[in-house]
Amino acid sequence: GENVGLHLPTLSVQEGDNSIINCAYSNSASDYFIWYKQESGKGPQFIIDIRSNMDKRQGQRVTVLLNKTVKHLSLQIAATQPGDSAVYFCADLKAAGNKLTFGGGTRVLVKP
Amino acid sequence: GAVVSQHPSRVICKSGTSVKIECRSLDFQATTMFWYRQFPKQSLMLMATSNEGSKATYEQGVEKDKFLINHASLTLSTLTVTSAHPEDSSFYICSARDGGRLGTYGYTFGSGTRLTVV
Repeated sequence: GENVGLHLPTLSVQEGDNSIINCAYSNSASDYFIWYKQESGKGPQFIIDIRSNMDKRQGQRVTVLLNKTVKHLSLQIAATQPGDSAVYFCADLKAAGNKLTFGGGTRVLVKP
Repeated sequence: GAVVSQHPSRVICKSGTSVKIECRSLDFQATTMFWYRQFPKQSLMLMATSNEGSKATYEQGVEKDKFLINHASLTLSTLTVTSAHPEDSSFYICSARDGGRLGTYGYTFGSGTRLTVV
């Protein structure tokens, strides 16, 4: 079945440093890969997405890399701030099915 | 931007009773709405997909008679947990898809409902 998973459950990072969150996926048929941020007691917030025919996309302080050869997705956060402390999920979307499938999540803790 | 309102944010109910959770798209028409369940320190698991005016499609292992979903309008979907038991205690999150937006930008999540069954 479909599976989008993560390597690290928790990531502690010093404020100002860069963060890298990784995700492995098994379904090659997805059209989009997306990163969401979830703060405690809230719903997920969209961060950035990447189409399956791309390998890199940049946003404001965030970069998503997609390596289809090894089925690996990563999110890089530059100059991590206290407000970045949250759980980050990767998800995939097959446009035809319209269903978002979520990965296991990584908790990012930013140390002042 | 797109806003999805979910109510209540927290609810405590007695075992055996039913609880209704509402999900509203405030500034767009939601052609499709999704209901997820999230246990502590775990990921979101899709329960069902609903399209306005039609029956919901449930994921494998989700009891449709226990989790009743109604999507009667383009801005409102409800999830009713019937005959709730303590094992139904969880964080329930809805997502609404704006049919007028392409790709992944059309998915907006509610703020979730913490259900505790005692």
